[in-house]
Amino acid sequence: DSGVTQTPKHLITATGQRVTLRCSPRSGDLSVYWYQQSLDQGLQFLIQYYNGEERAKGNILERFSAQQFPDLHSELNLSSLELGDSALYFCASSSGTSVYEQYFGPGTRLTVT
Amino acid sequence: EDQVTQSPEALRLQEGESSSLNCSYTVSGLRGLFWYRQDPGKGPEFLFTLYSAGEEKEKERLKATLTKKESFLHITAPKPEDSATYLCAVQTKDNFNKFYFGSGTKLNVKP
Repeated sequence: DSGVTQTPKHLITATGQRVTLRCSPRSGDLSVYWYQQSLDQGLQFLIQYYNGEERAKGNILERFSAQQFPDLHSELNLSSLELGDSALYFCASSSGTSVYEQYFGPGTRLTVT
Repeated sequence: EDQVTQSPEALRLQEGESSSLNCSYTVSGLRGLFWYRQDPGKGPEFLFTLYSAGEEKEKERLKATLTKKESFLHITAPKPEDSATYLCAVQTKDNFNKFYFGSGTKLNVKP
């Protein structure tokens, strides 16, 4: 158990809908990262927050957004969903200051029908 | 463009048959290289961090090494429980907060 929690574990929704994925980092970690993992694309970095501020952006679509709250939990919002958004979404956390190894949550499996 | 390539894509070994996985990278400046293990349907599990060429880290049957262009994950006398996908990721000096993952090597160790 990495100490990172993600909810929900599974999500099934229809095209065009909007969903919110939630992540709680390990106790004491200030950095949260979001990744998308699909079968044909591997693990793709989406976005990173440190203590509430966005610090790095990867290949995140404009339909996707994220935020980190004062209690350090983070949410990833996916809107206008398409079939191609079906994937595993992982959250990871790290201390974010000089130590960058990331600890991953169990993931949320999103299925868009 | 920053890139991380892992080879082979898949590797089948007999129990006890040692081998190595490769992670080659082309980045503007390497800050750190990370190895993870991922079991099916689960999140990656952190294994090692390497920062400079010549550095080595060991954990049980695994040893990670780093050169200026690539990293190797050596598996000595593997057991079936070592079967998993092994991922490497690089962190660049341009932005410590951005990580590029390779597509992984899927290792299958048969008893």
